[in-house]
Parts: sequence; C-alpha cells; structure tokens
Amino acid sequence: QKEVEQNSGPLSVPEGAIASLNCTYSDRGSQSFFWYRQYSGKSPELIMSIYSNGDKEDGRFTAQLNKASQYVSLLIRDSQPSDSATYLCAVRSGANSKLTFGKGITLSVRP
Amino acid sequence: DTAVSQTPKYLVTQMGNDKSIKCEQNLGHDTMYWYKQDSKKFLKIMFSYNNKELIINETVPNRFSPKSPDKAHLNLHINSLELGDSAVYFCASSQDWLAGGRKTQYFGPGTRLLVL
Repeated sequence: QKEVEQNSGPLSVPEGAIASLNCTYSDRGSQSFFWYRQYSGKSPELIMSIYSNGDKEDGRFTAQLNKASQYVSLLIRDSQPSDSATYLCAVRSGANSKLTFGKGITLSVRP
Repeated sequence: DTAVSQTPKYLVTQMGNDKSIKCEQNLGHDTMYWYKQDSKKFLKIMFSYNNKELIINETVPNRFSPKSPDKAHLNLHINSLELGDSAVYFCASSQDWLAGGRKTQYFGPGTRLLVL
C-alpha cells in the first residue's frame, strides 16, 4: 500500500512567521509531488508542484523535495491569516499515475 | 465560466436509495477523476477515466458505478446508499496523464452527500 504521511496537526503560527509543513511518502518510484490548499467547505486547489530534488520557490511558498529521504515539504514565509487552511500533500506514482493524498494538516495563522 | 462543474452541490437522501452525481469539464482535458473526502478530510481516489476508458478503479464497493459518455463528462451512480457513503465527492480533471503525471488536476466544487 503506497502511503503519504503528513504531520498530525493542527499547526498554529503567528502572522509573519514561517510555517513549515512536512510530508513523507513510501513509494520510491514516485514521480511528481504536489501541495494543495483547501479552505473549509471548498475544493482543493494546487499551490505548488515539484518534480526534481531541491527547492522550488513561488512567491511566499517554497517546496522542497528530497527523493533519497522520500520527503517533501512546504514552507510559507510571512504567513498571513488568509493562509489558514488545510494543506494536502499529494504524490503521483505508478503506471497509471495515480495521485495519492496525505491526510492533510490544518494551518491556523494568528493575527 | 466554471472549469469543472458538478451537480448537485448538496444531496440528502434516505438509506437504500439510488442517486447520481454529474460532472462536466470545459477545459478540454482527456482525464477525469472521482474522489471521496470523508469527515476527517481524507481525500481518496475512486475512479479515473482517460478518453472514456477506465484507468483507475480503486477498491470501491460495486454499488458505485462511474460512466463516461464522452471525455468531457464523468458521472457517478450509487446504488443502495448506505450511511457510510456520506461524504463530499469531488470530480477532477487533468490533461495528458501519460506525460509523467505532471499536469495539474483541477477539482470541481464538490457534492456533499448525506445519507439518513
């Protein structure tokens, strides 16, 4: 059973701080890695994708991938109350490119 | 101009009934998916179709039957509804799943199903 594990939450940070969200995956052959954000009562929306080892930055978001350690993380700099949401790690693997989601972590940014 | 749309948004029904959820995408994508998100927010894939062909069929009770009349539509029919079927069902679509899975999946707004 291919698994995607995320830190149990919730995670609370003060406004302006860095929020660090972590994810590990079990399938060493996984090809693509994604972070989705889901506001309460809404659908998931893609905020970051990463495919090769290293860091990828997009505005206040940085995704980090370490395939040797089977680890992917998301850093949110200068956290804002509007970042308060559930963040879902997703990993694509297998011949049918199935997307497997972690259970998500709820982030709360305190004003 | 909604990219991925689902109907209905809310569905409240009695145990034992049969219901359908419809999904349509206007993005020109060739792959569509059904996901189930339970009360603990765990999002799990159920089915995937690529150009009307079933490519992912997870361990789902055979009371659930997807149908793809064309590549822009993927419907989900559920027979003999049970209490445990209560969840949010999301439809999603993406382009070119064969290309190493790098294409983004776009999610519909979800259908909130409550079985009483």
